[in-house]
Amino acid sequence: RKEVEQDPGPFNVPEGATVAFNCTYSNSASQSFFWYRQDCRKEPKLLMSVYSSGNEDGRFTAQLNRASQYISLLIRDSKLSDSATYLCVVNAGTASKLTFGTGTRLQVTL
Amino acid sequence: DARVTQTPRHKVTEMGQEVTMRCQPILGHNTVFWYRQTMMQGLELLAYFRNRAPLDDSGMPKDRFSAEMPDATLATLKIQPSEPRDSAVYFCASGLVNPVSTKSYEQYFGPGTRLTVT
Repeated sequence: RKEVEQDPGPFNVPEGATVAFNCTYSNSASQSFFWYRQDCRKEPKLLMSVYSSGNEDGRFTAQLNRASQYISLLIRDSKLSDSATYLCVVNAGTASKLTFGTGTRLQVTL
Repeated sequence: DARVTQTPRHKVTEMGQEVTMRCQPILGHNTVFWYRQTMMQGLELLAYFRNRAPLDDSGMPKDRFSAEMPDATLATLKIQPSEPRDSAVYFCASGLVNPVSTKSYEQYFGPGTRLTVT
């Protein structure tokens, strides 16, 4: 089983739609969780950290379910500029290194 | 606006040649990571350093790859000899780790070095 698993997509949604991605992780001792965004031929960029209580940043909402070991990202009112690959990231238990999922590709269309 | 910088941005070389990639982490960050990204494998961790000391290089082919941090402002990744299968984008990232709890915080990536070995 991979340490971090994501549906690769692509998710094709119209502008204005709401879309949700899920990610599961295998290490129950993981403490830090993030969503990164990667545009084509660019570096990954931090989108948001994920906190136990859930957190929101504008149109983006992240949730963490420790019992089921999954993380979700909800994007409301999708924009064309949201088209990218979204990487789920988890730290390896108490170690300082992060493990990246292979990403979920989102394509927002007119 | 603090950023991680990497040089060169692009490198094309012939099989058997030595390749050196350089990274300048964000000032004040205590952890530096080297990743490789390919279409097939995604983002793979090659090696990382905390306070300039190598902590884990298990993801790196030891026979041809080496990573060092000669000082706090410079990290290097060297491939000697290079092979076509090394063609990939190599990212450097830096971040902060709480030294007591080892809780990791977010990492910030450089723009990457796109390596092509022919």
